[in-house]
Amino acid sequence: DIVLTQSPVLAVSLGQRATMSCRASQSVSISSINLMHWYQQKPGQQPKLLIYRASNLASGIPARFSGSGSGTDFTLIIDPVQADDIAAYYCQQSRESPYTFGAGTKLELK
Amino acid sequence: EVQLVESGGGLVQPGASLKLSCVASGFTFSDYWMSWVRQTPGKTMEWIGDIKYDGSYTNYAPSLKNRFTISRDNAKSTLYLQMSNVRSEDTATYYCTRGDGPWGQGTLVTVSS
Repeated sequence: DIVLTQSPVLAVSLGQRATMSCRASQSVSISSINLMHWYQQKPGQQPKLLIYRASNLASGIPARFSGSGSGTDFTLIIDPVQADDIAAYYCQQSRESPYTFGAGTKLELK
Repeated sequence: EVQLVESGGGLVQPGASLKLSCVASGFTFSDYWMSWVRQTPGKTMEWIGDIKYDGSYTNYAPSLKNRFTISRDNAKSTLYLQMSNVRSEDTATYYCTRGDGPWGQGTLVTVSS
């Protein structure tokens, strides 16, 4: 299985940039298609798709969210961070079944 | 509005069977692959499997393939997850998802004697 590694916690100040990483144990890209996706989950809620295929903003997601990366290294950026962004963030790969998730990064206020 | 509503969770004894349902609305259900994902109480997310839009193909996480079965009834816009011989480690919130965005609110399954 492809293992996705995320840092457990990231502390940021409101209005600052938050940069979260997701590293895959093997490439999740096929040619120029990067099969990595990002989700936000707030307490008591279901996950919400933020970014699909590494860099595409899902419908209704604010432009302060962005994603980048290819191969094995991917990044989710929130800039600027707002209070409503305090949540857990998960990456997921769909390059190879089973479509594994990272353990999540909990975004906290500094 | 796209909606996915899961049901069928609850307290179940080890070794028992359980069938979860997910009713879809707001889109043409038969046009989409659908998936099940679960989240443990410790917040670990696990992809269970998916099913092709016409139900002709299913794909499972190898660790669950022998005990879990995904099916669908397009006439009822409903996705199913049949769980058999459940174990304590199956305790989780089970979500259905369309994969390209929408997730249901989840249904909690607790396996305990």
